[in-house]
Amino acid sequence: AQKVTQAQTEISVVEKEDVTLDCVYETRDTTYYLFWYKQPPSGELVFLIRRNSFDEQNEISGRYSWNFQKSTSSFNFTITASQVVDSAVYFCALSEPITQGGSEKLVFGKGTKLTVNP
Amino acid sequence: DTGVSQDPRHKITKRGQNVTFRCDPISEHNRLYWYRQTLGQGPEFLTYFQNEAQLEKSRLLSDRFSAERPKGSFSTLEIQRTEQGDSAMYLCASSFEQGLPDTQYFGPGTRLTVL
Repeated sequence: AQKVTQAQTEISVVEKEDVTLDCVYETRDTTYYLFWYKQPPSGELVFLIRRNSFDEQNEISGRYSWNFQKSTSSFNFTITASQVVDSAVYFCALSEPITQGGSEKLVFGKGTKLTVNP
Repeated sequence: DTGVSQDPRHKITKRGQNVTFRCDPISEHNRLYWYRQTLGQGPEFLTYFQNEAQLEKSRLLSDRFSAERPKGSFSTLEIQRTEQGDSAMYLCASSFEQGLPDTQYFGPGTRLTVL
């Protein structure tokens, strides 16, 4: 079965610091997908990125960047020059096939609560 | 483009009562998912619909839980004889079938408190 571990429960930084959120996963599948979601205090999960297991290129989107390393089963997320609005709980998730219908369900880690202080 | 909506946003009920939640997916999305999130945990998968067909149910979904998507549009999740352990955030997500992987877009959730 799939498993996602986010070892950092809470992180607190001062605005403009860089911060990296760790994600380690376990799967026996050769094809799988990894995701990051953001959950602000309002509660809604906001999609940030998806990555397939065949694409190990790092990705950058503005202040966000992701480092996927298949060799260590990790998919880490870095926020550069953090801002107060980045304060939220961040979840890493791994896809698991649904038997019928060709879709995938998501297996989530427990999340990392990031607090960015002014 | 309207996102996924859920109603109600909050529900407080007494143990033993029945409750029903509604989810309206993004209009063109044919896939719909329910998850449950307890405090300090990540969401856990409950069930999946493709159009009106319920194709997978988690072991977490006891026989007190039932979900429907009668016309392949909105979905309802009913919990009968609620227990205090049912207190959680119930999240709905939808996606459009366009080859793996779909990106699941989540609604704001319904927070259930069972007294």
